[in-house]
Amino acid sequence: DTGVSQDPRHKITKRGQNVTFRCDPISEHNRLYWYRQTLGQGPEFLTYFQNEAQLEKSRLLSDRFSAERPKGSFSTLEIQRTEQGDSAMYLCASSPGTGNTDTQYFGPGTRLTVL
Amino acid sequence: AQSVAQPEDQVNVAEGNPLTVKCTYSVSGNPYLFWYVQYPNRGLQFLLKYITGDNLVKGSYGFEAEFNKSQTSFHLKKPSALVSDSALYFCAVRDKRGGADGLTFGKGTHLIIQP
Repeated sequence: DTGVSQDPRHKITKRGQNVTFRCDPISEHNRLYWYRQTLGQGPEFLTYFQNEAQLEKSRLLSDRFSAERPKGSFSTLEIQRTEQGDSAMYLCASSPGTGNTDTQYFGPGTRLTVL
Repeated sequence: AQSVAQPEDQVNVAEGNPLTVKCTYSVSGNPYLFWYVQYPNRGLQFLLKYITGDNLVKGSYGFEAEFNKSQTSFHLKKPSALVSDSALYFCAVRDKRGGADGLTFGKGTHLIIQP
């Protein structure tokens, strides 16, 4: 399968714990995006990378969230001191080039439940 | 700021009948418009996009969408619905003038095709 992959698919954690998610984009895709989707809503943009550079962060991305793409390939999203409001589906997407017309291809998501 | 409205939470169509899923948008400049479909417990799958040119865009699985600049709409259509088309559909927009590079999504429309 050469699509976007995410790991884990499901994560249950207790409030206050740290969690880390991984995204592997489609090979050679330059851009990588993170979105959050809550029940009954569409995905909301969090941040994106062009190669290893993080170019934009949404105001939804609080200080407890950090994302990295160290070698311009896979990316990690870490949430520190999780809160119940962080419970959501975290989606990763990648696109091939650097243009705004490029299609974003999404992974299956990581569903986070904070107890 | 850019926004997308999907006015119908749910659309019910009999199998074999034409279907329309509505989307209107608001951007400062000219838009790039996208439709995605989401099946249960899966990520978003790209259906089609409007960048420029012909207002009628054809996409995957027999879907098409019509861009109407005066009405700021981008409705998704299919001439003959299949039961397998039942899913959650999202419209998304990106402003050509840049700024936030993530997509802005609507809340989604549940499409139910009845046999």
